Amino acid sequence: QSALTQPASVSGSPGQSIAISCTGTSSDVGGYNHVCWYQQQPGKAPKLMIYDVSNRPSGVSDRFSGSKSGNTASLTISGLQAEDEADYYCSSFTNSNTDVFGSGTKVTVL
Amino acid sequence: QVLLVQSGTEVKKPGASVKVSCQASGYTFTNYAIHWVRQAPGQRLEWMGWINTGNGNINYSQKFQGRLTITRDTSASTAYMELSSLRSEDTAVFYCARRIGRALDYWGQGTLVSVSS
Repeated sequence: QSALTQPASVSGSPGQSIAISCTGTSSDVGGYNHVCWYQQQPGKAPKLMIYDVSNRPSGVSDRFSGSKSGNTASLTISGLQAEDEADYYCSSFTNSNTDVFGSGTKVTVL
Repeated sequence: QVLLVQSGTEVKKPGASVKVSCQASGYTFTNYAIHWVRQAPGQRLEWMGWINTGNGNINYSQKFQGRLTITRDTSASTAYMELSSLRSEDTAVFYCARRIGRALDYWGQGTLVSVSS
């Protein structure tokens, strides 16, 4: 199972909105509404930010939102803040009853 | 509160095996699956496999088939990940995580496994 495709890096100024894409296939992203997004700060374990494409766990800021169209999912961060600087990974359930992660995106706040 | 506590750093020689534990607390262990995820230094997250802690069913990434064994001890609320025939490329931090629905909501602190001759 190949990794889902994400841009290597995305940057924005404080207050701006940015979007991170996550492209898979009909066997994973396109076939199921089980796309998640994780935030990983350096040296820390990942943190769940979005599940089932667009749902936020309790405690996650509403500045984070998710969507999906076809084989591509997206994470949008609105009102970018310095604390949002981190690596972000998408993941998807697959038709093999397995999961697959994305290649990861480094978000830089300028 | 939900906690997943993993065993400590391991240093192994090529060809050896490593077994990492993940002890759960704060919830009913058998109600949630446990997944294992690997992250090599500076690299992406890589999904390895998961275990249904209730009935013991497992599913592995094809990449690790034959080298990976995931087990659990329900009496100890602990899941285990054993990786054999280690090579230098297996040097990584290994995470366990609890699955709710199809998401990983709580993660262990990570276990560094270093493989070097």
